[in-house]
Amino acid sequence: IAGITQAPTSQILAAGRRMTLRCTQDMRHNAMYWYRQDLGLGLRLIHYSNTAGTTGKGEVPDGYSVSRANTDDFPLTLASAVPSQTSVYFCASSDSALAGWGEQFFGPGTRLTVL
Amino acid sequence: KNQVEQSPQSLIILEGKNCTLQCNYTVSPFSNLRWYKQDTGRGPVSLTIMTFSENTKSNGRYTATLDADTKQSSLHITASQLSDSASYICVVSAGDSWGKLQFGAGTQVVVTP
Repeated sequence: IAGITQAPTSQILAAGRRMTLRCTQDMRHNAMYWYRQDLGLGLRLIHYSNTAGTTGKGEVPDGYSVSRANTDDFPLTLASAVPSQTSVYFCASSDSALAGWGEQFFGPGTRLTVL
Repeated sequence: KNQVEQSPQSLIILEGKNCTLQCNYTVSPFSNLRWYKQDTGRGPVSLTIMTFSENTKSNGRYTATLDADTKQSSLHITASQLSDSASYICVVSAGDSWGKLQFGAGTQVVVTP
């Protein structure tokens, strides 16, 4: 039983570099989400996808992009990393396309440090 | 200002003791409230989900209560165990059609022997 996997587990990145965080789920959930978690703050939604082929912007989308080519994968790309993007990133999935109505299952997270 | 406020920020309790965590929210309209447990270095895991019509819900030694009138929720941990050491996050879903989730910053609980 895998659920949701994320890669890499952690990464140190030079500012200005491009980086893609990977997320894969095997639960056949339609909806997937990317959050960032910073000390003292609640998780904040970056981007979401209600179903394969569609994506939407969350609360803090600037500097990030996503794609959803199929049901299982939802990669998050930082086109040109900046130090303020240092954070822990969580991918989540849900069996409901309505964020507030389905249970969300979270991956183990990726700890990203941008220097 | 965060629409979901949790208190205390952190607490230390002795193994076997009980504790109660608080969550106040201003999200309106509101559809449901969730409590998650997040172990260090892991993703959050759902403990309970309550709709506005539910007053209490239990999951083993975890009992959540909800007062939708005062917009308050609590999570009670009974007979704490070392494995209860974690961050506990309160999450409120807005009552719109999509149900945007608002996350609290969490309460860090440390259970000591």
